Amino acid sequence: GGIITQTPKFLIGQEGQKLTLKCQQNFNHDTMYWYRQDSGKGLRLIYYSITENDLQKGDLSEGYDASREKKSSFSLTVTSAQKNEMAVFLCASSIGVNSDYTFGSGTRLLVI
Amino acid sequence: QQQVRQSPQSLTVWEGGTTVLTCSYEDSTFNYFPWYQQFPGEGPALLISILSVSDKKEDGRFTTFFNKREKKLSLHIIDSQPGDSATYFCAAGNYNQGKLIFGQGTKLSIKP
Repeated sequence: GGIITQTPKFLIGQEGQKLTLKCQQNFNHDTMYWYRQDSGKGLRLIYYSITENDLQKGDLSEGYDASREKKSSFSLTVTSAQKNEMAVFLCASSIGVNSDYTFGSGTRLLVI
Repeated sequence: QQQVRQSPQSLTVWEGGTTVLTCSYEDSTFNYFPWYQQFPGEGPALLISILSVSDKKEDGRFTTFFNKREKKLSLHIIDSQPGDSATYFCAAGNYNQGKLIFGQGTKLSIKP
């Protein structure tokens, strides 16, 4: 079986800092996603990538950059962390676009 | 932004009872509706999914119902167990054509 690994598991940053979250999968899945999870707001799509070097914006892309240098990895950058921001960032992958997702366990972000 | 609305936000059910979670969506072109289950500290995991050509899908104690005319779906859990305590997300999208939109989630607690 495969696995999705997100690093780091916990991330504490300072206001205005640029922060990078990483995601690796060994399913050989084509599509990868970054979602943000806030309490009471569900999961909101930040970026997704259909194939290597492809990037598609989601509804929450402002304030974020993403990079898909190779099929197995997808990185997300918070360009300027906002004070008091607290959320879980979830990476997922799927064989096609919108087929069944497999999620990683998340990166928990706190900005002080 | 397309909406997927999920209710209730939280729910407590006695062990052995039946749990019912509901969702509604707006986009009539959506044809794929998965439900995800998330335990604390983990990413969501696919529980059950249904395509719009069906109105019911069953997997053990879990059944999802789909009503195309009303644009509603529901998840029923019979003989609810304490191990079912988790957060449940419904989602909607076009299979193999686009991104999933998630509901806000329902935090379910099963009391022994």
